[in-house]
Amino acid sequence: AQSVTQLDSQVPVFEEAPVELRCNYSSSVSVYLFWYVQYPNQGLQLLLKYLSGSTLVKGINGFEAEFNKSQTSFHLRKPSVHISDTAEYFCAVSNQAGTALIFGKGTTLSVSS
Amino acid sequence: KAGVTQTPRYLIKTRGQQVTLSCSPISGHRSVSWYQQTPGQGLQFLFEYFSETQRNKGNFPGRFSGRQFSNSRSEMNVSTLELGDSALYLCASSPMDRDTEAFFGQGTRLTVV
Repeated sequence: AQSVTQLDSQVPVFEEAPVELRCNYSSSVSVYLFWYVQYPNQGLQLLLKYLSGSTLVKGINGFEAEFNKSQTSFHLRKPSVHISDTAEYFCAVSNQAGTALIFGKGTTLSVSS
Repeated sequence: KAGVTQTPRYLIKTRGQQVTLSCSPISGHRSVSWYQQTPGQGLQFLFEYFSETQRNKGNFPGRFSGRQFSNSRSEMNVSTLELGDSALYLCASSPMDRDTEAFFGQGTRLTVV
């Protein structure tokens, strides 16, 4: 069975500071990995995805993530955050790319000035 | 290109009733998945339909069912509603091509009273 653990439920950070949101997964088969963002009363928006190839993945809004197979991790990073990055972030895994996603519990990123 | 459309956006039902939620996928997408989001359990996969057939199923009771029509539109039905069914129900569509990802709608907020 697959599972996802987001190691921090809340991450407070000041504007223009760097941030890392941590995600570990477990799976007995090859996986596809995703990071989604959710703003209040909205659906999920894809930030980035790892399907294959380069382990460093760049996404929208300046976010990037690195797939580490040996550590079964897929941490999300941004070098300088903005107030507008305040949202809930979800890491997800699937062995079927784009469907049957297994989500972590989410990390609330709060950016203050 | 229009996004994933879910109707209605908000719904209030009484315990014991049944409810049907609708999802129109992005044009050309053949896979539709449903997810339940609650504060306690987070985001959980309900089921996926592809070409009118249920292809994947999460761990939910039989009260939760769905179907997909020939135009890829999907409906989700919950019978004998319980208070615990109160949640945000999210629909996601995917083209299921090689570089696939799931595109989410804004969700239907169901409140059971």
